[in-house]
Amino acid sequence: GAVVSQHPSWVICKSGTSVKIECRSLDFQATTMFWYRQFPKQSLMLMATSNEGSKATYEQGVEKDKFLINHASLTLSTLTVTSAHPEDSSFYICSASTGQGFGYTFGSGTRLTVV
Amino acid sequence: GDSVTQMEGPVTLSEEAFLTINCTYTATGYPSLFWYVQYPGEGLQLLLKATKADDKGSNKGFEATYRKETTSFHLEKGSVQVSDSAVYFCALSDRGAKFGNQFYFGTGTSLTVIP
Repeated sequence: GAVVSQHPSWVICKSGTSVKIECRSLDFQATTMFWYRQFPKQSLMLMATSNEGSKATYEQGVEKDKFLINHASLTLSTLTVTSAHPEDSSFYICSASTGQGFGYTFGSGTRLTVV
Repeated sequence: GDSVTQMEGPVTLSEEAFLTINCTYTATGYPSLFWYVQYPGEGLQLLLKATKADDKGSNKGFEATYRKETTSFHLEKGSVQVSDSAVYFCALSDRGAKFGNQFYFGTGTSLTVIP
Protein backbone atom coordinates (compact mmCIF):
# COMPACT_ATOMS: atom_id res chain seq x y z
CA GLY A 1 0.00 0.00 0.00
CA ALA A 2 0.85 3.66 -0.19
CA VAL A 3 3.53 4.67 2.28
CA VAL A 4 4.47 8.14 3.44
CA SER A 5 7.76 8.54 5.22
CA GLN A 6 8.16 11.52 7.50
CA HIS A 7 11.48 12.53 9.05
CA PRO A 8 12.65 13.20 11.61
CA SER A 9 10.25 11.55 14.03
CA TRP A 10 11.41 13.86 16.76
CA VAL A 11 13.78 16.80 17.01
CA ILE A 12 15.00 19.14 19.71
CA CYS A 13 16.40 22.48 18.62
CA LYS A 14 17.51 25.74 20.15
CA SER A 15 15.37 28.83 19.98
CA GLY A 16 16.16 30.91 16.91
CA THR A 17 17.27 28.04 14.71
CA SER A 18 15.39 26.54 11.77
CA VAL A 19 14.15 23.00 11.45
CA LYS A 20 13.22 21.14 8.29
CA ILE A 21 10.71 18.29 8.26
CA GLU A 22 10.49 16.02 5.23
CA CYS A 23 7.51 14.12 3.95
CA ARG A 24 8.11 11.58 1.19
CA SER A 25 5.70 9.39 -0.68
CA LEU A 26 7.64 6.19 -1.21
CA ASP A 27 5.62 4.29 -3.77
CA PHE A 28 3.24 6.75 -5.34
CA GLN A 29 3.17 10.24 -6.72
CA ALA A 30 1.60 12.72 -4.36
CA THR A 31 -0.04 15.57 -6.20
CA THR A 32 -1.30 17.10 -2.98
CA MET A 33 0.18 17.12 0.50
CA PHE A 34 -1.32 18.44 3.70
CA TRP A 35 0.55 19.65 6.76
CA TYR A 36 -1.07 19.49 10.17
CA ARG A 37 -0.10 20.64 13.60
CA GLN A 38 -1.35 19.41 16.93
CA PHE A 39 -1.32 21.81 19.85
CA PRO A 40 -0.98 20.26 23.29
CA LYS A 41 -4.21 18.63 24.41
CA GLN A 42 -5.95 19.62 21.19
CA SER A 43 -6.79 17.99 17.92
CA LEU A 44 -4.94 18.27 14.68
CA MET A 45 -5.21 21.55 12.83
CA LEU A 46 -4.61 21.93 9.14
CA MET A 47 -1.76 24.34 8.47
CA ALA A 48 -1.48 24.31 4.72
CA THR A 49 -2.20 22.46 1.52
CA SER A 50 0.49 22.14 -1.09
CA ASN A 51 0.23 21.03 -4.69
CA GLU A 52 3.30 19.95 -6.58
CA GLY A 53 4.90 22.81 -8.44
CA SER A 54 2.77 25.58 -7.00
CA LYS A 55 2.67 27.70 -3.87
CA ALA A 56 1.12 26.28 -0.75
CA THR A 57 -2.26 27.46 0.44
CA TYR A 58 -2.08 28.41 4.09
CA GLU A 59 -4.94 28.30 6.53
CA GLN A 60 -5.97 31.50 8.26
CA GLY A 61 -3.68 32.36 11.12
CA VAL A 62 -0.71 30.35 9.86
CA GLU A 63 2.34 32.48 9.16
CA LYS A 64 3.59 31.56 5.71
CA ASP A 65 6.95 33.23 6.30
CA LYS A 66 7.50 31.20 9.41
CA PHE A 67 6.31 27.86 8.12
CA LEU A 68 7.88 27.47 4.71
CA ILE A 69 6.43 24.67 2.62
CA ASN A 70 8.07 23.37 -0.51
CA HIS A 71 6.55 20.72 -2.76
CA ALA A 72 9.09 20.66 -5.54
CA SER A 73 8.48 17.11 -6.69
CA LEU A 74 5.69 14.57 -6.72
CA THR A 75 7.35 12.58 -3.97
CA LEU A 76 8.68 15.17 -1.56
CA SER A 77 7.27 18.02 0.47
CA THR A 78 9.18 19.85 3.18
CA LEU A 79 8.07 22.03 6.04
CA THR A 80 10.68 24.39 7.45
CA VAL A 81 10.01 26.05 10.77
CA THR A 82 12.11 29.20 10.61
CA SER A 83 13.50 30.98 13.67
CA ALA A 84 11.81 28.50 15.94
CA HIS A 85 10.55 29.53 19.35
CA PRO A 86 9.31 27.45 22.28
CA GLU A 87 5.70 28.14 21.29
CA ASP A 88 6.39 26.29 18.02
CA SER A 89 6.93 23.10 19.99
CA SER A 90 4.27 20.77 18.71
CA PHE A 91 3.50 17.63 16.79
CA TYR A 92 3.56 18.05 13.02
CA ILE A 93 2.12 15.50 10.63
CA CYS A 94 1.84 15.36 6.87
CA SER A 95 -0.48 13.49 4.61
CA ALA A 96 -0.23 12.84 0.92
CA SER A 97 -2.82 12.30 -1.76
CA THR A 98 -2.65 10.93 -5.24
CA GLY A 99 -5.44 13.30 -6.14
CA GLN A 100 -7.80 10.48 -7.03
CA GLY A 101 -10.16 11.06 -4.11
CA PHE A 102 -8.87 8.00 -2.24
CA GLY A 103 -5.44 7.20 -0.95
CA TYR A 104 -4.82 9.80 1.69
CA THR A 105 -1.83 8.45 3.56
CA PHE A 106 -0.34 9.95 6.69
CA GLY A 107 3.23 10.26 7.76
CA SER A 108 4.16 9.13 11.24
CA GLY A 109 4.54 12.66 12.53
CA THR A 110 7.36 14.78 13.95
CA ARG A 111 7.58 15.88 17.55
CA LEU A 112 9.36 19.25 17.63
CA THR A 113 10.66 20.62 20.90
CA VAL A 114 12.22 24.07 20.92
CA VAL A 115 14.33 24.89 23.96
CA GLY B 1 2.75 -0.17 20.41
CA ASP B 2 -0.25 1.98 19.71
CA SER B 3 -2.25 1.37 16.55
CA VAL B 4 -5.65 1.81 14.97
CA THR B 5 -7.34 -0.71 12.74
CA GLN B 6 -10.15 0.53 10.57
CA MET B 7 -12.43 -1.33 8.21
CA GLU B 8 -11.33 -1.10 4.64
CA GLY B 9 -13.39 0.52 1.98
CA PRO B 10 -14.59 1.73 -0.27
CA VAL B 11 -18.12 1.73 1.07
CA THR B 12 -21.04 2.62 -1.18
CA LEU B 13 -24.47 3.24 0.29
CA SER B 14 -27.77 4.54 -0.93
CA GLU B 15 -29.08 7.76 0.54
CA GLU B 16 -30.86 7.27 3.91
CA ALA B 17 -29.08 3.96 4.56
CA PHE B 18 -27.52 3.14 7.92
CA LEU B 19 -23.76 3.55 8.19
CA THR B 20 -21.28 1.73 10.38
CA ILE B 21 -17.53 2.06 10.03
CA ASN B 22 -15.63 -0.19 12.40
CA CYS B 23 -12.57 0.95 14.30
CA THR B 24 -10.56 -0.90 16.91
CA TYR B 25 -7.46 0.25 18.68
CA THR B 26 -4.44 -0.85 20.65
CA ALA B 27 -2.93 1.53 23.16
CA THR B 28 -0.47 1.31 26.00
CA GLY B 29 -1.58 4.46 27.77
CA TYR B 30 -4.82 6.39 28.17
CA PRO B 31 -5.99 7.24 24.66
CA SER B 32 -8.47 9.74 23.42
CA LEU B 33 -10.30 8.59 20.30
CA PHE B 34 -11.28 10.61 17.27
CA TRP B 35 -13.04 10.41 13.96
CA TYR B 36 -11.81 12.75 11.28
CA VAL B 37 -13.44 13.37 7.92
CA GLN B 38 -11.80 14.49 4.71
CA TYR B 39 -14.04 15.76 1.94
CA PRO B 40 -12.73 15.65 -1.63
CA GLY B 41 -9.99 18.19 -2.15
CA GLU B 42 -9.95 19.34 1.45
CA GLY B 43 -7.89 18.66 4.55
CA LEU B 44 -8.88 16.74 7.63
CA GLN B 45 -11.69 17.97 9.81
CA LEU B 46 -12.45 16.72 13.26
CA LEU B 47 -15.84 15.01 13.22
CA LEU B 48 -16.14 13.86 16.80
CA LYS B 49 -14.09 12.67 19.74
CA ALA B 50 -14.26 10.86 23.06
CA THR B 51 -11.69 11.19 25.79
CA LYS B 52 -12.54 8.37 28.18
CA ALA B 53 -14.28 5.04 28.36
CA ASP B 54 -18.07 5.07 27.80
CA ASP B 55 -18.00 8.61 26.41
CA LYS B 56 -20.09 9.12 23.29
CA GLY B 57 -18.97 11.62 20.70
CA SER B 58 -21.55 13.02 18.31
CA ASN B 59 -21.73 15.57 15.53
CA LYS B 60 -23.79 16.08 12.37
CA GLY B 61 -25.82 12.96 13.07
CA PHE B 62 -22.71 10.79 13.48
CA GLU B 63 -22.03 8.97 16.75
CA ALA B 64 -19.28 6.83 18.21
CA THR B 65 -18.95 5.33 21.68
CA TYR B 66 -15.61 4.69 23.36
CA ARG B 67 -15.78 1.00 24.34
CA LYS B 68 -12.81 0.04 26.46
CA GLU B 69 -13.94 -3.55 26.94
CA THR B 70 -13.88 -4.17 23.21
CA THR B 71 -11.24 -1.51 22.41
CA SER B 72 -13.54 -0.11 19.77
CA PHE B 73 -14.83 3.24 18.54
CA HIS B 74 -17.22 2.43 15.72
CA LEU B 75 -18.71 5.29 13.74
CA GLU B 76 -22.46 5.20 13.05
CA LYS B 77 -25.08 7.31 11.34
CA GLY B 78 -28.70 6.40 11.01
CA SER B 79 -29.42 8.01 7.64
CA VAL B 80 -26.60 9.05 5.35
CA GLN B 81 -26.81 11.81 2.79
CA VAL B 82 -24.98 12.39 -0.47
CA SER B 83 -23.08 15.19 1.26
CA ASP B 84 -21.57 12.62 3.65
CA SER B 85 -19.46 11.20 0.84
CA ALA B 86 -15.88 11.54 2.09
CA VAL B 87 -13.00 9.63 3.58
CA TYR B 88 -13.31 8.89 7.30
CA PHE B 89 -10.31 8.33 9.57
CA CYS B 90 -10.31 6.83 12.99
CA ALA B 91 -7.47 8.04 15.19
CA LEU B 92 -6.17 7.87 18.69
CA SER B 93 -4.05 10.21 20.69
CA ASP B 94 -2.21 8.52 23.50
CA ARG B 95 -1.31 10.79 26.34
CA GLY B 96 0.88 8.04 27.70
CA ALA B 97 2.95 7.75 24.54
CA LYS B 98 6.68 8.28 24.83
CA PHE B 99 6.58 11.70 23.25
CA GLY B 100 3.18 12.70 24.54
CA ASN B 101 0.01 13.38 22.53
CA GLN B 102 1.03 11.50 19.43
CA PHE B 103 -1.62 10.65 16.90
CA TYR B 104 -2.10 7.27 15.32
CA PHE B 105 -4.44 7.13 12.38
CA GLY B 106 -6.33 4.36 10.70
CA THR B 107 -5.96 3.98 6.98
CA GLY B 108 -9.22 5.70 6.19
CA THR B 109 -12.52 4.45 4.81
CA SER B 110 -13.92 6.01 1.68
CA LEU B 111 -17.69 6.45 1.72
CA THR B 112 -19.75 7.19 -1.35
CA VAL B 113 -23.45 7.86 -0.95
CA ILE B 114 -25.56 7.58 -4.07
CA PRO B 115 -28.95 9.26 -4.52
